[in-house]
Amino acid sequence: DTGVSQNPRHKITKRGQNVTFRCDPISEHNRLYWYRQTLGQGPEFLTYFQNEAQLEKSRLLSDRFSAERPKGSFSTLEIQRTEQGDSAMYLCASSLADILPLHFGNGTRLTVT
Amino acid sequence: DQQVKQNSPSLSVQEGRISILNCDYTNSMFDYFLWYKKYPAEGPTFLISISSIKDKNEDGRFTVFLNKSAKHLSLHIVPSQPGDSAVYFCAASSGGSNYKLTFGKGTLLTVNP
Repeated sequence: DTGVSQNPRHKITKRGQNVTFRCDPISEHNRLYWYRQTLGQGPEFLTYFQNEAQLEKSRLLSDRFSAERPKGSFSTLEIQRTEQGDSAMYLCASSLADILPLHFGNGTRLTVT
Repeated sequence: DQQVKQNSPSLSVQEGRISILNCDYTNSMFDYFLWYKKYPAEGPTFLISISSIKDKNEDGRFTVFLNKSAKHLSLHIVPSQPGDSAVYFCAASSGGSNYKLTFGKGTLLTVNP
């Protein structure tokens, strides 16, 4: 069990650029979740997958955000036309279906300048 | 609206004493509660959980108490150690089919030697 892996750990980008983050869940976990955490707040749910199917998206996930999990293994989160308000820690978590807890990665910290 | 509330942003205790972290929730559909610990630059790490059918769960130095009528839970750490210094997040799930978690804003615990 190597844990949930997220890359890159840090990303600095200029406003208007596109960015993509990757998450590799724990190998046998079929559920994958994306969360966002800003300063002074707890993690906020963005979206989740069961296998390759995206089953729920938060209203926090604007049209500029898209997430995929093409083969039911790793997932990518893309933000198009980044804005300064997108600056946050993006956390990925995985689990077996219907089993808690969620296991989190160390996150990708995005800074939009 | 904040469905999970941690009203104390910070708590400072002496090594060896008890730490009590509190959490309130408003959503009656929540049926499973978790505590996560987070160190800087790392993702949240699962600590302990409790189902709504119980009022207490214990794991070593950590005990979680649930008062459903008051919609309140607390985490007790006895004895507190300097390595316990971290941000503690309370999280809740309403189960169903997605098991997504709703987090509080966290409490920064500092254990002084």
